[in-house]
Amino acid sequence: DAKTTQPPSMDCAEGRAANLPCNHSTISGNEYVYWYRQIHSQGPQYIIHGLKNNETNEMASLIITEDRKSSTLILPHATLRDTAVYYCIVRLRKNTDKLIFGTGTRLQVFP
Amino acid sequence: DTGVSQDPRHKITKRGQNVTFRCDPISEHNRLYWYRQTLGQGPEFLTYFQNEAQLEKSRLLSDRFSAERPKGSFSTLEIQRTEQGDSAMYLCASSLVSTADTEAFFGQGTRLTVV
Repeated sequence: DAKTTQPPSMDCAEGRAANLPCNHSTISGNEYVYWYRQIHSQGPQYIIHGLKNNETNEMASLIITEDRKSSTLILPHATLRDTAVYYCIVRLRKNTDKLIFGTGTRLQVFP
Repeated sequence: DTGVSQDPRHKITKRGQNVTFRCDPISEHNRLYWYRQTLGQGPEFLTYFQNEAQLEKSRLLSDRFSAERPKGSFSTLEIQRTEQGDSAMYLCASSLVSTADTEAFFGQGTRLTVV
């Protein structure tokens, strides 16, 4: 599986958009980009995934560059409850492969 | 069914003792994963089951570790002769792999402290 690079930490003001970047320059054509987050003392929680097109759900939006070498997770109106570690993961098979986590980005949302 | 359930939530044990953790997946999920997470790191894959069959084991899963899923429902992870380095959060996840796959849902984990 391709590796990802994320900034170790980011801050965001409550109510503002949080834009979390991820580099995956060695991603192959059939690998998906997944995002999970882990709130303190809880298990990881699925957020969103995509292959080529931008995706949006009730939690977030995922913007994947045209060359697929990077992506951005957008939380449009961050709240204090969005404070968590966010993991960007690439995986070969949709939903069927094990997840290979890096160290993620620790997002701190402040009042 | 509200999600993946793990028991116990916390376990403190003395070095050299055996411990066993239990995971109850979401009821219709046929795939079950075990991960381990140490402080400041992301979860690391240990093993996974498709129904009752253990299909993959990480090199992290030493011979002191054994996992079972006897009837394709709940799973147990046993650590024999625990060492201080085994102190970690042990996470279980489940998913449905079929014509309509689901993403993996994680439990809240079992935190093991070896003293």
